[in-house]
Amino acid sequence: EPEVTQTPSHQVTQMGQEVILRCVPISNHLYFYWYRQILGQKVEFLVSFYNNEISEKSEIFDDQFSVERPDGSNFTLKIRSTKLEDSAMYFCASSRGPSYEQYFGPGTRLTVT
Amino acid sequence: GIQVEQSPPDLILQEGANSTLRCNFSDSVNNLQWFHQNPWGQLINLFYIPSGTKQNGRLSATTVATERYSLLYISSSQTTDSGVYFCAGFKGGTYKYIFGTGTRLKVLA
Repeated sequence: EPEVTQTPSHQVTQMGQEVILRCVPISNHLYFYWYRQILGQKVEFLVSFYNNEISEKSEIFDDQFSVERPDGSNFTLKIRSTKLEDSAMYFCASSRGPSYEQYFGPGTRLTVT
Repeated sequence: GIQVEQSPPDLILQEGANSTLRCNFSDSVNNLQWFHQNPWGQLINLFYIPSGTKQNGRLSATTVATERYSLLYISSSQTTDSGVYFCAGFKGGTYKYIFGTGTRLKVLA
């Protein structure tokens, strides 16, 4: 069964450093998403991406964040200058269409020290 | 934006017991998903259920879209059912699911 994969599973970085989180969505899906979950809290939407453009972004997704689909299979989230409050689990998801079922990757746990 | 409330926030069951988890929406949604977050943090898709009732083994879900709620039934609970259950709603014209606050379930052997 196809699945969304994410790398790395855990990343530790120092405040102010840049991080890139990577995702490989399900191959026939066209819509891609990033969500995050601060420890013990609910899952929050960050951004959706379709046809090489951002479709929607939340207030959390400020100028420090960017997304890219650098090739036909990868989808990345970059945080330019990490802050302590960026520590969270980051989930990638993909779907065939915007209202279709979304499938989530296993997550990348980002720890900013 | 849509607010999604889940109840109860916490639930402790003895193995073999049944339970009902509820998800309420502040506005109408076009689609709805239920997820189980296991102890390793993974989000497992349980149901994609914009309306009606679906069953998968010991789990079933019912969404009453006109009344803006969904229910998740767990029968004959097992310790492996422990974790956090989230519902998430999708509203047309947007590109995102809004997650609820979750129900933390612990099943005791």
